[in-house]
Amino acid sequence: LAKTTQPISMDSYEGQEVNITCSHNNIATNDYITWYQQFPSQGPRFIIQGYKTKVTNEVASLFIPADRKSSTLSLPRVSLSDTAVYYCLVGEGNYGQNFVFGPGTRLSVLP
Amino acid sequence: NAGVTQTPKFRILKIGQSMTLQCAQDMNHNYMYWYRQDPGMGLKLIYYSVGAGITDKGEVPNGYNVSRSTTEYFPLRLELAAPSQTSVYFCASSYGGTANGEAFFGQGTRLTVV
Repeated sequence: LAKTTQPISMDSYEGQEVNITCSHNNIATNDYITWYQQFPSQGPRFIIQGYKTKVTNEVASLFIPADRKSSTLSLPRVSLSDTAVYYCLVGEGNYGQNFVFGPGTRLSVLP
Repeated sequence: NAGVTQTPKFRILKIGQSMTLQCAQDMNHNYMYWYRQDPGMGLKLIYYSVGAGITDKGEVPNGYNVSRSTTEYFPLRLELAAPSQTSVYFCASSYGGTANGEAFFGQGTRLTVV
């Protein structure tokens, strides 16, 4: 079973910042935190990955507190095309080599 | 680069038939994965491989088999198809597992068993 907990769904409006929080209370020392995005009828797509503090790329930011028991994906100024399911993953398997997906967060961006 | 290529994109099977879902990657990745996704649900890991000749079971392996004779290919075999195997199947690959960046996913194979 996935070691993460996320809200099942969220609604937002175009132009707003969206923050999706993920709980991973039992994260292991070697685990990284990774977020994926999935559109209908497509495979998941990597968004961002981090280990601690803050990571930013061209599409999102990832905030990880010092205890690493949670993380927050921040999407700035969302548009209708950001409507998708967002998955938070931490390493699974004997060596943390596998990606185990929970149900994810279904984000709906409204006009 | 083509990335991860899955064939076929769609398939209808009759109960009891067998088939092989093909997956190929051209990124020289060590790790490869097979997932299934039922409607409205997250992905569930079927099998994975950490390199040629090495495979292991994931969360839902029953009814499936895999092989990994080369780095590039990771076929998934369904024996004696059942309606419960109706799903979308995704193949993925990654360089070094979760601690080394992203996994790349194929476009999926939509399988219906009737």
